[in-house]
Amino acid sequence: DAGITQSPRYKITETGRQVTLMCHQTWSHSYMFWYRQDLGHGLRLIYYSAAADITDKGEVPDGYVVSRSKTENFPLTLESATRSQTSVYFCASLGAGGSNYGYTFGSGTRLTVV
Amino acid sequence: RKEVEQDPGPFNVPEGATVAFNCTYSNSASQSFFWYRQDCRKEPKLLMSVYSSGNEDGRFTAQLNRASQYISLLIRDSKLSDSATYLCVVNMIESGGSYIPTFGRGTSLIVHP
Repeated sequence: DAGITQSPRYKITETGRQVTLMCHQTWSHSYMFWYRQDLGHGLRLIYYSAAADITDKGEVPDGYVVSRSKTENFPLTLESATRSQTSVYFCASLGAGGSNYGYTFGSGTRLTVV
Repeated sequence: RKEVEQDPGPFNVPEGATVAFNCTYSNSASQSFFWYRQDCRKEPKLLMSVYSSGNEDGRFTAQLNRASQYISLLIRDSKLSDSATYLCVVNMIESGGSYIPTFGRGTSLIVHP
């Protein structure tokens, strides 16, 4: 199916474990983004990527690692999960046509760190 | 100070009412603007882009005031199904040429019978 998909939808992990959240888009969009959303904070940008092999930090990058070896995939890794990383994570993409078309989001991953 | 600010609400209105949300932004270099809708525990979805001349889509009207650095969303004839959180998004182009979207925290709308 065309679109942007995230996996898993739900994840429970233990403190200190490494966990990777996957994001895949089928449009060959240049830009991809990772956000976390918490009550009282809204959406906060973790990392973004303007193209394959180009990534950059957002507002809250600490404790996260990303890679973009292929245009369609943008995985987010929590190297050593902490309880403060319990959140809803959204991946988004933006087409090469520019910012006039808005951002499309995946359905989100609800991560709980215990 | 957050770069994009919205009144969190909630705005509690009866069906059929007209309601307006404002969103202010601090960076005068902001390039493009959007309103998104987010339902509880779902992903944000694009409601409409905001153009300099203002634009309308059915019951929804969006306006941009660059001089005062705010955008607005007007919803006429509110429906129960309009109940959601409305997010303002401001797009900036950083020095390296990348688009950086900044989201407001959202305004909650509750439409009651």
